[in-house]
Amino acid sequence: QVTLRESGPALVTPTQTLTLTCTFSGFSLRTSGMCVSWVRQPPGKALEWLALIDWTDDKYYSTSLRTRLTISKDTSKNQVVLTMTNMDPVDTGTYYCARTTWVRGVIAFDYWGQGALVTVSS
Amino acid sequence: SYVLTQPPSVSVAPGKTARLTCGGNNIGSKSVHWYQQKAGQAPVLVMYSESERPSGIPERFSGSNSGSTATLTISRVEAGDEADFYCQVWDSSSDHHVVFGGGTKLTVL
Repeated sequence: QVTLRESGPALVTPTQTLTLTCTFSGFSLRTSGMCVSWVRQPPGKALEWLALIDWTDDKYYSTSLRTRLTISKDTSKNQVVLTMTNMDPVDTGTYYCARTTWVRGVIAFDYWGQGALVTVSS
Repeated sequence: SYVLTQPPSVSVAPGKTARLTCGGNNIGSKSVHWYQQKAGQAPVLVMYSESERPSGIPERFSGSNSGSTATLTISRVEAGDEADFYCQVWDSSSDHHVVFGGGTKLTVL
């Protein structure tokens, strides 16, 4: 059974750095084709992809947020960490981690965590 | 950068067929995936690679992709199908990244 769970602060102040952890089970990031991604959703708005890390430790970032994001993994702990610097109130929203499968160039999010609501406010 | 365009809303009566579209430049050459997000819940993958249904997704859900439009079709719509639907592709043409459409709110009348 595949599960993912996001954890991190519910409230951050502007200019702070956000650190979110995705703890997963039921699969391994050592397995070919396995990846974990982060996706966010501002209240009432659409999904926005942030970053992806794959089984080879290659990393991919949203073009618009690339300078603020870092994704990393701890394979032994089954965790993926996302940091986002210089947080702003517009970054308020629900942050999801999702298992991502990458097979023959096809990338899809087949399992999602329940999401972590992050509010940016002073 | 690659853009996916979805109509903001689609309304359909119970028992009828809903067709949700996702437009993009030559999207027919890409693998398109669809997610359903019910209110207050995380998204769920309902269709991958245009027309493949994950385990547990009803046969009422089907998909197609050709030219500049991908379509998710929901037959015999039920009240429980009401949700936001998002299409998604992987854009490897320039900067490798994931693209989501803006989402369509499906309302069951």
